[in-house]
Amino acid sequence: DTEVTQTPKHLVMGMTNKKSLKCEQHMGHRAMYWYKQKAKKPPELMFVYSYEKLSINESVPSRFSPECPNSSLLNLHLHALQPEDSALYLCASSQGGTGASYGYTFGSGTRLTVV
Amino acid sequence: GQSLEQPSEVTAVEGAIVQINCTYQTSGFYGLSWYQQHDGGAPTFLSYNALDGLEETGRFSSFLSRSDSYGYLLLQELQMKDSASYFCAVRRGSQGNLIFGKGTKLSVKP
Repeated sequence: DTEVTQTPKHLVMGMTNKKSLKCEQHMGHRAMYWYKQKAKKPPELMFVYSYEKLSINESVPSRFSPECPNSSLLNLHLHALQPEDSALYLCASSQGGTGASYGYTFGSGTRLTVV
Repeated sequence: GQSLEQPSEVTAVEGAIVQINCTYQTSGFYGLSWYQQHDGGAPTFLSYNALDGLEETGRFSSFLSRSDSYGYLLLQELQMKDSASYFCAVRRGSQGNLIFGKGTKLSVKP
């Protein structure tokens, strides 16, 4: 299995809702990431998990709450979002090591619309 | 601060060669990666350079000069399917966290 699977693919939520995005990989990768991407913009790093521990939080507002239940799963819990949070949310994983193993494998993303 | 500069758009014809440049200024540098992203799709890893020099993978090559804070992606024998956005990305830390440039939209014409 060489994929990162994200669910749901599309999500529409109100500003008072609570929802979760899910990400799963079975490549044995020990680093997992959440990125946010707006239209025609580059992916922006949100969180880094290394060996199931949160290692980097890029000053993300607390209405986004990441969770790593185990080495294969990564969740992003959403609460009280704003319309400007509407974006494509990408999960990625990487093995680490040397050379090409630093390449990220990205999931196809969750397209989130906040209304 | 940190910045990665690359051209916003490049146009080329099928069969041609195109070079996409990237200059960077970041706090921490472990290596330079390149990613391809088609409209509506996810970024796909193309290459990674940690040391100076050229890395070749099929029709794609990537170059890095650490002293010049500069790299490029070279695409040969362009095909229509190569039309996509290409991002350079700096690996900023030992944990692999990547910071992406703004992307170069490549249009390949017949």
